[in-house]
Amino acid sequence: KQEVTQIPAALSVPEGENLVLNCSFTDSAIYNLQWFRQDPGKGLTSLLLIQSSQREQTSGRLNASLDKSSGRSTLYIAASQPGDSATYLCAVRPISSGSARQLTFGSGTQLTVLP
Amino acid sequence: DGGITQSPKYLFRKEGQNVTLSCEQNLNHDAMYWYRQDPGQGLRLIYYSQIVNDFQKGDIAEGYSVSREKKESFPLTVTSAQKNPTAFYLCASRPSGGGNNEQFFGPGTRLTVL
Repeated sequence: KQEVTQIPAALSVPEGENLVLNCSFTDSAIYNLQWFRQDPGKGLTSLLLIQSSQREQTSGRLNASLDKSSGRSTLYIAASQPGDSATYLCAVRPISSGSARQLTFGSGTQLTVLP
Repeated sequence: DGGITQSPKYLFRKEGQNVTLSCEQNLNHDAMYWYRQDPGQGLRLIYYSQIVNDFQKGDIAEGYSVSREKKESFPLTVTSAQKNPTAFYLCASRPSGGGNNEQFFGPGTRLTVL
């Protein structure tokens, strides 16, 4: 069964620092990997989606990489800002999900960027 | 505006009561999903529906029920059989067709059992 792990569970950094969030998954048979942002008490906002054939995706100050063979993904945030404070979740769509296409989620990394 | 709406935002339930959480989407998506989120944990799939009048159990369906009578609506009922229903509930939808389409999420409903 696919399992997704995110380390660390929480992270505090000073404003302006570059940072990396980690995500690992146990089964490399995936269609894609997605990074989400969740603000307290809110729903999920999709940040980046990486297809299994891709190595990375970029959006503004965010860069996500995927190494499917090793079961790892990283989310790189450049020049962090207090507004980046949120919980970041990664999720994979296993090939075993078939046409249902459900996602398997990690437990998230709670990021605090200190002004 | 297109999107997914969930209501209510907060819901309180007494033990032994059934409650229904609403999820509506105007994105013309065929597939809809219900997830449960507990503090410090990721999302776990309760039920999903790929088409009207059809739905499937997810990983933690016990104590929950759903219906899909309309494409736009996918309500979730939390029954008295659910022993620990206090959680944050998220609804999502996905476009139909091939490809690796993203899931889009609603704002969530926080359910508290008194």
